[in-house]
Amino acid sequence: KQEVTQIPAALSVPEGENLVLNCSFTDSAIYNLQWFRQDPGKGLTSLLLIQSSQREQTSGRLNASLDKSSGRSTLYIAASQPGDSATYLCAVTIAGGTALIFGKGTTLSVSS
Amino acid sequence: DGGITQSPKYLFRKEGQNVTLSCEQNLNHDAMYWYRQDPGQGLRLIYYSQIVNDFQKGDIAEGYSVSREKKESFPLTVTSAQKNPTAFYLCASRLVAHQETQYFGPGTRLLVL
Repeated sequence: KQEVTQIPAALSVPEGENLVLNCSFTDSAIYNLQWFRQDPGKGLTSLLLIQSSQREQTSGRLNASLDKSSGRSTLYIAASQPGDSATYLCAVTIAGGTALIFGKGTTLSVSS
Repeated sequence: DGGITQSPKYLFRKEGQNVTLSCEQNLNHDAMYWYRQDPGQGLRLIYYSQIVNDFQKGDIAEGYSVSREKKESFPLTVTSAQKNPTAFYLCASRLVAHQETQYFGPGTRLLVL
């Protein structure tokens, strides 16, 4: 059964720092991997989607990488800002599947 | 203005009561999903539907029921058989043909009185 793990569970950094969030999955037979952002008490916002054939995706200050063979993905946030404070969730779609399998998330706090 | 709406934002359930959470989308998406989120946890799949009048159980379907009579609507009923219903419920939809990301609604928080 596919399991998704995110490390660390929580992270606090000062404004301006570059940071990396980690996601690992146990079964490399995935269709795609996505990173979401969730603000407290709110729904999820999609940040980046990486298809299984891709190695990375970039959007603004965000860069997500995917290494299927090792079962790992990273989300790199450059020049962090207080507005980046949120919970970041990693999720995979297994090959032949449709629903997402989520990690428990990393809660990021960026202080000014 | 396209999107997914969920109502109500907060819902209170009494012991033994069935309650229904609404989810509507005007994105013309084929697939719709219900997830449950507990504090400090990721989302877990309750039910999903890829076409009208058809739906499948997810990992934690016990104590829940759904219907998909219209493409735009996918209501979730939390039955009295669900003994621990307190959670944040999120609905999502997706355009199947293009394997796009899932779009999420704002969520409904269910509390037990």
